[in-house]
Amino acid sequence: SQQGEEDPQALSIQEGENATMNCSYKTSINNLQWYRQNSGRGLVHLILIRSNEREKHSGRLRVTLDTSKKSSSLLITASRAADTASYFCATDRGSSGSARQLTFGSGTQLTVLP
Amino acid sequence: ETGVTQTPRHLVMGMTNKKSLKCEQHLGHNAMYWYKQSAKKPLELMFVYNFKEQTENNSVPSRFSPECPNSSHLFLHLHTLQPEDSALYLCASSQEASSPGELFFGEGSRLTVL
Repeated sequence: SQQGEEDPQALSIQEGENATMNCSYKTSINNLQWYRQNSGRGLVHLILIRSNEREKHSGRLRVTLDTSKKSSSLLITASRAADTASYFCATDRGSSGSARQLTFGSGTQLTVLP
Repeated sequence: ETGVTQTPRHLVMGMTNKKSLKCEQHLGHNAMYWYKQSAKKPLELMFVYNFKEQTENNSVPSRFSPECPNSSHLFLHLHTLQPEDSALYLCASSQEASSPGELFFGEGSRLTVL
């Protein structure tokens, strides 16, 4: 069954604005990851937040995790046209020493208008 | 360049053909994965290999046959496919010695079944 659900499905903003994408999941997790995919390309890892963390930053990215609500958000500040892509959250049930057990959501298509 | 190379990038085949997708990773990772990405659907995990051993098969039809001869190479053999199998097939790898870890994806093989 699908684990992660992103919201909204599509988001269109002006360059310079902030973009917020949300992810909800159903079962307990080891960590939650966000990935980006440009059209027709592979996914690129952006940021990982562990289940015992509440917030994490990386450059213009800010991720929050609320395990009590089983939800996460990805904030991209001062967006650029080059940020246009699909963004996916992925929940990881895997444990140390085992292969990853990532389940991906359907993604949010972000369009940043110049 | 993610260190994961997939060939071919594009493949068109008839339902009676036999073809193979190839994935090679140059990252020294121990785990490799096949994902299927169809339009408007979340990524579907197909197979997982950890140290060359298959650890997960997500009820994938037998017309898809994976092969992992070593930790650096992963194949997906295709035969008697259906038009609904048309999709982007993504290979990924990860390092299991450390946890948690992200997946490194290839650029994908776009498969069209006529």
